[in-house]
Parts: sequence; C-alpha cells; structure tokens
Amino acid sequence: EAGVAQSPRYKIIEKRQSVAFWCNPISGHATLYWYQQILGQGPKLLIQFQNNGVVDDSQLPKDRFSAERLKGVDSTLKIQPAKLEDSAVYLCASSLTGTGVYNSPLHFGNGTRLTVT
Amino acid sequence: KQEVTQIPAALSVPEGENLVLNCSFTDSAIYNLQWFRQDPGKGLTSLLLIQSSQREQTSGRLNASLDKSSGRSTLYIAASQPGDSATYLCAGGTNAGKSTFGDGTTLTVKP
Repeated sequence: EAGVAQSPRYKIIEKRQSVAFWCNPISGHATLYWYQQILGQGPKLLIQFQNNGVVDDSQLPKDRFSAERLKGVDSTLKIQPAKLEDSAVYLCASSLTGTGVYNSPLHFGNGTRLTVT
Repeated sequence: KQEVTQIPAALSVPEGENLVLNCSFTDSAIYNLQWFRQDPGKGLTSLLLIQSSQREQTSGRLNASLDKSSGRSTLYIAASQPGDSATYLCAGGTNAGKSTFGDGTTLTVKP
C-alpha cells in the first residue's frame, strides 16, 4: 500500500511569513494527525481529525496555526505568521482507528522540515 | 495527563549484543503501547503495538512487553546489527486514538 505522502520536504521562511504543509493519508484511514517534532524530542500532537471532523485540537496554537481536512481525505496545516520557535519537523500520520477499530498502528509520512529565520 | 519517559537518551552497544530499551508511563489506564523506529531525516515506522489486554508482542528479533501495573514497557532486540542503529520511540495510546510519545532512545550498534 502507498504510504502517507507529505510535501514539501523542506521549507525555509522568514519570521512573520506564512507557510502551508500538505498531507495525503493512506487510503481508507479515517484518522489523521499532525504532529510537531522539535529536534531531540518526541512528536507532540497538534491536531487530530476523524474523517473531516476535529477530535482534538487542544494543543494547536490557534492564534497562528490552522488545519483542515477536506472531504475526509487530504489535509493542510498552515502557520501564519511564523515565529522562530516554529522551526521543527511537521509530521502527518494516519491510522484506521475509528468506530469499531481502536488498536491500529500509526503510519507516518517523512515530514516537512521547517526553518524559520 | 499521560507522561512517557525513555531512559537512557542514548545507548551504544557492540554488534551481536542483546539489548533492552525502556519506556515508562504515568497513567496505567493506557489503551495500547506502540514502539517506533525513526531514522535520521525520516518519519516514524511502527514496529510493534501491544494492546492493553496483552503482555507482549514479537516480530522477528524484536520483542515488546507491557506491564500496566508498574507503568513500564520494554523493547528487547536480539543479536543487534549495525542496521538497527536508529532512534526508538514509545507512545502510550488512549481509546480515543490519541498517543503520547517519549523523547526516544538513540541506539548505535558498532560493527
């Protein structure tokens, strides 16, 4: 099966600029996640979608971050305006987890490495 | 709130050695425990998932155990190889599909 696709792989922007990341999950996966991974740390959840609805966005800095999942498939994560501390790898993951399926593994994309200067 | 800790942060072993990686979690109401591998510049690859009703899972040279009462999970790697060098992360999952990750243990297997 095709894996989780993310683009771009790398992005360099100046602070106060905006940036968007794209994710295409594995076909049929109901749940989609965006994680932020700072160098040397484990991934931290930003937002979790179930189909096209938001399940958990409690850790998303909503004053600058936004995310959507159109038609329950692809997703975009946007940062506007970016700050220096947003420099990190942004990982997208998907899983079958959903009604009746609670113990399926997470599948990750290769991430987008964002550098804010 | 679930907190996941992995100690040590780094580990170096000679090729052929058997080794154990540790993962501790604070909330014993864990729903599942996953172990992942991350290579430099890559995403995470799922290695093993243990459901809360299970005690262990095995895949090839890997064996993961789960002890909810003590808040611990271990990943056992048999006959380590240089290709096993990577960062290994564990994550505790809830029944809502939310996972909390540790910061990982970076393993180096020397030829």
